[in-house]
Amino acid sequence: EVQLVESGGGLVQPGRSLRLSCAASGFTFDDYAMHWVRQAPGKGLEWVSGITWSSGIIDYADSVKGRFTISRDNAKNSLYLQMNSLRPEDTALYYCAKAPSGSYLESSFDYWGQGTLVTVSS
Amino acid sequence: EIVLTQSPGTLSLSPGERATLSCRASQSVSSSYLAWYQQKRGQAPRLLIYGASSRATGIPDRFRGSGSGTDFTLTISRLEPEDFAVYYCQQYGSSLTFGGGTKVEIK
Repeated sequence: EVQLVESGGGLVQPGRSLRLSCAASGFTFDDYAMHWVRQAPGKGLEWVSGITWSSGIIDYADSVKGRFTISRDNAKNSLYLQMNSLRPEDTALYYCAKAPSGSYLESSFDYWGQGTLVTVSS
Repeated sequence: EIVLTQSPGTLSLSPGERATLSCRASQSVSSSYLAWYQQKRGQAPRLLIYGASSRATGIPDRFRGSGSGTDFTLTISRLEPEDFAVYYCQQYGSSLTFGGGTKVEIK
């Protein structure tokens, strides 16, 4: 059974940093691209960032480019999101999502975690 | 960036009725790279349809996706009580964007 478990969320002040993690199990992690998708309270879904199986292709939404960094450790079956210079508008539930393919980012998301909540407020 | 507009915003229907949800793209979605997701309150989204018309694993055949180019439709043939939720479309032909969602509520 595919499982994606996010962690690392919390309350943080504007301008500070936070690192999210996603622990994957139930599939061969290093065969698939992975993504972060967020959802502000009461709002819709927004793609944040994606990374291919080898970390060879990485992309970001314009809203986070230059502030967020995605990475993965295939030996640990883990996905990460380093979030710097956080803003109140980054407040959201952050989901880790698996792609059905490995070598390109343009895809649907076939499995999702339950999310970790990030709140940016003073 | 391809903008996806979903309509209507809210659909009020009774169990057993047919639901028709629309997703319109600001420009053509290449190779029909369009997906649909269902999200129930307090839960993560679930993939229903990919490639505009292919059902994901375990999705019942009352869910049908159709369309191409800029106009796509999700049809739920007969609503079951568990189908009342919010539905999102997503395109992955050019970067990755989501529509704003359609809420299907019980009338």
